[in-house]
Amino acid sequence: GAGVSQSPRYKVAKRGQDVALRCDPISGHVSLFWYQQALGQGPEFLTYFQNEAQLDKSGLPSDRFFAERPEGSVSTLKIQRTQQEDSAVYLCASSFNGRGGRNQPQHFGDGTRLSIL
Amino acid sequence: KNQVEQSPQSLIILEGKNCTLQCNYTVSPFSNLRWYKQDTGRGPVSLTIMTFSENTKSNGRYTATLDADTKQSSLHITASQLSDSASYICVVSAYNNDMRFGAGTRLTVKP
Repeated sequence: GAGVSQSPRYKVAKRGQDVALRCDPISGHVSLFWYQQALGQGPEFLTYFQNEAQLDKSGLPSDRFFAERPEGSVSTLKIQRTQQEDSAVYLCASSFNGRGGRNQPQHFGDGTRLSIL
Repeated sequence: KNQVEQSPQSLIILEGKNCTLQCNYTVSPFSNLRWYKQDTGRGPVSLTIMTFSENTKSNGRYTATLDADTKQSSLHITASQLSDSASYICVVSAYNNDMRFGAGTRLTVKP
């Protein structure tokens, strides 16, 4: 498709399990972002990639969170030893990284709703 | 304290009416401000992007204004439709590429 695709759309896991969330950005988009969105709140920045390079991971809440984008396209957000407070919607966004850097229109996926029991 | 504050938190209006959503920010140095519409269960979709030199921008029935001096922005929706029911999120970017999201205004348009 032409948009950002995320999978799975819904994920239910037991506390302590590891989960992996996938993001397929728009083809040719250099920049990729991950966000965490709690119910009724705006998205909170997690991490940013430019091609395969993770340039900013300052928003990752703990070392249980890990993101990668090994070939500069598809990205995976992994959460190890999940906890109930990890329950949220995880959004991925991509943008064509022109000379304006990160200040380009971002195209969001519909997110993965993660529920930790 | 969040550097982007939106008001009201929620709003209910009748179909066909106009409304205005507010966004105040302290992000500095300012680079740009965007308004997004987020339908329930979907990702945000960009409505407008404004830089320092722009004080108004329209996208159909949506008109955004920006006062960089007072660090305020508004999103005006004209002749609301049921499909306008969504959350509207204000996002402010700084020149260091730091982006700050507001918590959003939840708009409900009733018939």
